[in-house]
Amino acid sequence: EAQVTQNPRYLITVTGKKLTVTCSQNMNHEYMSWYRQDPGLGLRQIYYSMNVEVTDKGDVPEGYKVSRKEKRNFPLILESPSPNQTSLYFCASSRPPSTGNTEAFFGQGTRLTVV
Amino acid sequence: GDSVTQMEGPVTLSEEAFLTINCTYTATGYPSLFWYVQYPGEGLQLLLKATKADDKGSNKGFEATYRKETTSFHLEKGSVQVSDSAVYFCALSGGYGQNFVFGPGTRLSVLP
Repeated sequence: EAQVTQNPRYLITVTGKKLTVTCSQNMNHEYMSWYRQDPGLGLRQIYYSMNVEVTDKGDVPEGYKVSRKEKRNFPLILESPSPNQTSLYFCASSRPPSTGNTEAFFGQGTRLTVV
Repeated sequence: GDSVTQMEGPVTLSEEAFLTINCTYTATGYPSLFWYVQYPGEGLQLLLKATKADDKGSNKGFEATYRKETTSFHLEKGSVQVSDSAVYFCALSGGYGQNFVFGPGTRLSVLP
């Protein structure tokens, strides 16, 4: 089954304690992205990756890091989380626009609370 | 840069009412257009898509037509059900920017 898997689904942590949210896809997609969803603000892109070792900032990259060492994995790293990073996070994968088939597949989401 | 604007709602309808959620976009190039749906507690799922002007996407009774002249992709359904209650996102992909841009989402509540 084609899917994007995020872990954990729920996480409560304290300010400053480094954390990683994992994301893995089994569709051999080149593109992967991280979004955060906040009430009234919709989905905002944090980082995206067009392929292995190729990443770029989205609209709200401050306070986040990513890496793309393998095609299937795209972890999101918060080196020093702060309460304003409390949010619902989604990972997504897709093929590149040049394929003409750019449907994005989303993970189930990670609800992060930073206290 | 590319952008998507949609009515933010919330939208509250009675069962069997007609639904329209407006979506307009700004993009360079020739983007593909999408509607995604998010049910409570879940991730986003593709509802329908259109890849070129005048294409009509349809699924589960929902329809949207890619109108290049008005840069719009309005979502419609003739008769909504309680099970359609969700948040709906309009999105584009494949303009000359990077991959996806989402609208703010429209929360739909359908009352029995």
